[in-house]
Amino acid sequence: GESVGLHLPTLSVQEGDNSIINCAYSNSASDYFIWYKQESGKGPQFIIDIRSNMDKRQGQRVTVLLNKTVKHLSLQIAATQPGDSAVYFCAEGGAQKLVFGQGTRLTINP
Amino acid sequence: DAGITQSPRYKITETGRQVTLMCHQTWSHSYMFWYRQDLGHGLRLIYYSAAADITDKGEVPDGYVVSRSKTENFPLTLESATRSQTSVYFCASSRGASYNSPLHFGNGTRLTVT
Repeated sequence: GESVGLHLPTLSVQEGDNSIINCAYSNSASDYFIWYKQESGKGPQFIIDIRSNMDKRQGQRVTVLLNKTVKHLSLQIAATQPGDSAVYFCAEGGAQKLVFGQGTRLTINP
Repeated sequence: DAGITQSPRYKITETGRQVTLMCHQTWSHSYMFWYRQDLGHGLRLIYYSAAADITDKGEVPDGYVVSRSKTENFPLTLESATRSQTSVYFCASSRGASYNSPLHFGNGTRLTVT
């Protein structure tokens, strides 16, 4: 069945370094992908999305890469800051359904 | 710009009681959703609505009732609360269907059923 998973449940990076959060998906028919950020005590916050006709999309300090060949999605955060500490979810949309991953916790070391 | 607001923020209720969680959005989004978030399960869809007076079941609808008489409001009712319904509930809205439009979430209601 379809599933969205994460390679690492936790990621720890130094402040100022770049962060890369990975996500694998299994439904090759999915054509819409989203990254969310969830801070403690808050709801998920939309970060960036990408459609299957694109390989890369950039936002402010964030880049999403989509590799349809290996069904892999990644979120890159440039110059990671303390405010980036949160749980990051990927989600895939397709077949009239949105599936969320379990999340990766990103912690920032000073 | 208030966005999407949920109330109450925290709720404790007893098994068997009816409880209603409120959700209000100011964007005039067509779609609204209710999710529950539990450790080990992530976000699971309870119910959604494509427009006023149109609602559909999601992945885990049993024990829940929704209504949408106005575009901006989407209350979720637990008819007879059970301990398994202890969770954090998130309301969300979007311009289009969830599988091709970004969802915008509220800050959640933490519900404890004793």
